[in-house]
Amino acid sequence: EVQLVESGGGLVQPGGSLRLSCAASGFTFSTYWMHWVRQAPGKGLVWVSRINSDGSSTTYADCVKGRFTISRDNAQNTLYLQMNSLRAEDTAVYYCVREVRSYYDSTYYYYMDVWGKGTTVTVSS
Amino acid sequence: DIQMTQSPSSLSASVGDRVTITCRASQSISSYLNWYQQKPGKAPKLLIYGASSLQSGVPSRFSGSGSGTDFTLTISSLQPEDFATYYCQQSYSTPRTFGQGTKLEIK
Repeated sequence: EVQLVESGGGLVQPGGSLRLSCAASGFTFSTYWMHWVRQAPGKGLVWVSRINSDGSSTTYADCVKGRFTISRDNAQNTLYLQMNSLRAEDTAVYYCVREVRSYYDSTYYYYMDVWGKGTTVTVSS
Repeated sequence: DIQMTQSPSSLSASVGDRVTITCRASQSISSYLNWYQQKPGKAPKLLIYGASSLQSGVPSRFSGSGSGTDFTLTISSLQPEDFATYYCQQSYSTPRTFGQGTKLEIK
């Protein structure tokens, strides 16, 4: 079964740090781009970061740039998100997401087909 | 960054109704548009990718159309399990932006 399982969430004070992990199973992890997407309480989905299949390229949302670092260990089938200088507005459920690249009609299409159940991060004093 | 705008933000409908949700991109994204369904307390689920391709296992009452900047998600005959929040998302470029969501409620 294809599965993503996040861990590492919790309560942290403003200015603190957390590292989220996402364990992948049931597919060849090293061949997929991976993303983190978050959702604040009662709000919509917000893309946070992505990493390419070999970890050589990363991109971040402006709101987390310079504070968060995405990485992966393909030998351990694990995705990470190191979160530093946390703020109250970082409070959210964080989802680990697999992105597929699919070729049809002479075009590559990209879509997020597997989502973890999420891990909750609460930033509060 | 590409902005995605959905309308309406909320919608009340009855079982059996035909429902259409609209998503507009701030610039042309060809057919790089995906739709997701999210139920309370659950992770989002992929419904439609490439604007009109149905994800495996998704009921055929769901369909998508559009290209360029204007897209629609249609549910042909609402079922009780379809009451949820729906999000569009562009995959034309990074950041992968989402619409603000459309909450579909029971009338």
